[in-house]
Parts: sequence; C-alpha cells; structure tokens
Amino acid sequence: EDKVVQSPLSLVVHEGDTVTLNCSYEVTNFRSLLWYKQEKKAPTFLFMLTSSGIEKKSGRLSSILDKKELFSILNITATQTGDSAIYLCAVEVTYSGGGADGLTFGKGTHLIIQP
Amino acid sequence: EAQVTQNPRYLITVTGKKLTVTCSQNMNHEYMSWYRQDPGLGLRQIYYSMNVEVTDKGDVPEGYKVSRKEKRNFPLILESPSPNQTSLYFCASSLGSRNEKLFFGSGTQLSVL
Repeated sequence: EDKVVQSPLSLVVHEGDTVTLNCSYEVTNFRSLLWYKQEKKAPTFLFMLTSSGIEKKSGRLSSILDKKELFSILNITATQTGDSAIYLCAVEVTYSGGGADGLTFGKGTHLIIQP
Repeated sequence: EAQVTQNPRYLITVTGKKLTVTCSQNMNHEYMSWYRQDPGLGLRQIYYSMNVEVTDKGDVPEGYKVSRKEKRNFPLILESPSPNQTSLYFCASSLGSRNEKLFFGSGTQLSVL
C-alpha cells in the first residue's frame, strides 16, 4: 500500500522564523511529488518535483526531492502570518496497464505563524 | 475565470435521504476527481474520471456514485447517506490524467445526522 507521511503534524512559530516541513513516502512506481497549500478551504498547487536534487523555488518557498532517501522538504523563510495554512504533500504513482495516475496525500502539516 | 465550482458549500441532512453534490469546471479538463478530507486522515480519493463516460473507483468508493455524462460536470451522489460520510468533500480537475495541476473546488462540508 502506498504511504505518504508528513511531519510535523502541527507547528507554531513566530513571524520571521524559517520552517522546514518534511514529507517521506513509500510507493511503487513513483512519478512525482507535489506540494499544496490549503488555507481556508481548497488546496492550491505549490510545486511539483520529479528529479532528485533540483530545488524548486517560488519567493520565500522552496522545495527539494531526494529520490534515494524517499523524502522531500518544503522550506519557508522569513515566515509571515499569511503563510499559516495546512501544507499537503502528495505522491503521484503510475499504475501499470494504463489508466489514470494515482495521487496519495499525506495528512498534512498545520503551520501557524504567530505575529 | 478558470474555476471548479461545487454546490452546495454546506449541507446538513439525515441518514438515508439521497443527495447530490454538483461539480462543474470551465477549463475543458478531461480529468476530474472527488476527494474527502477527514481530520487525521488527510485527503482520500473517492472516484475519478478520465473523460466522458469513463469513471473509476478511488481509495474509498463505498457508499458513493458518480457520473460523467458531460465533460464539465462530475456530480457525486450519495444514495443513502450515513453518519460516517460526514466529511469535507472536494472536487478537482486537471487537463490530462496527470495530477500536477489539480484545480480544487472550494469544498462541500457535509453533515449526516
């Protein structure tokens, strides 16, 4: 069974701090790893990672994948209160015999930024 | 504006009373999917559809039905809702079967009494 584990489950920091969120996975037929940010309701796409060691960056957010050790990290520097959200990691796998790729989500990390 | 629209946003119902949650996307996406989100369990896929008239079960399909008669619509049907289906439901779509650019609807909070 495919498994995606995020840690920590919850994190409270002060504005300006840097945070690192972790996502480890055990899946067959890995295709990609995705990060989403979920604020009030709907998750929104942040990054897709397919290759090890290549950092994806968007403003103060960055992410990297290690396919050998089967994990990814999401870094947020100089955090702001607007970064408060649930961050979801998802792993996409390819099913044999065709058909849609599967997407397994972790339980998420609830990040709270205190002013 | 490109979006995935779910209705209703909130729904309280009683056990056994059939209900439908609608989902519509205006991006001409082929792939659509339903998820439920529960505390401590994350997002779990219920059903997905790769195109019109093509649907398949996700991880937790029991107690749900879907249909894909038109490309833009993908309703979720609960024929006989039960309290364990109380959850936050999300519809999502993407251009192809790749999931990397899943667009999510705003969610439907369902309570079954």
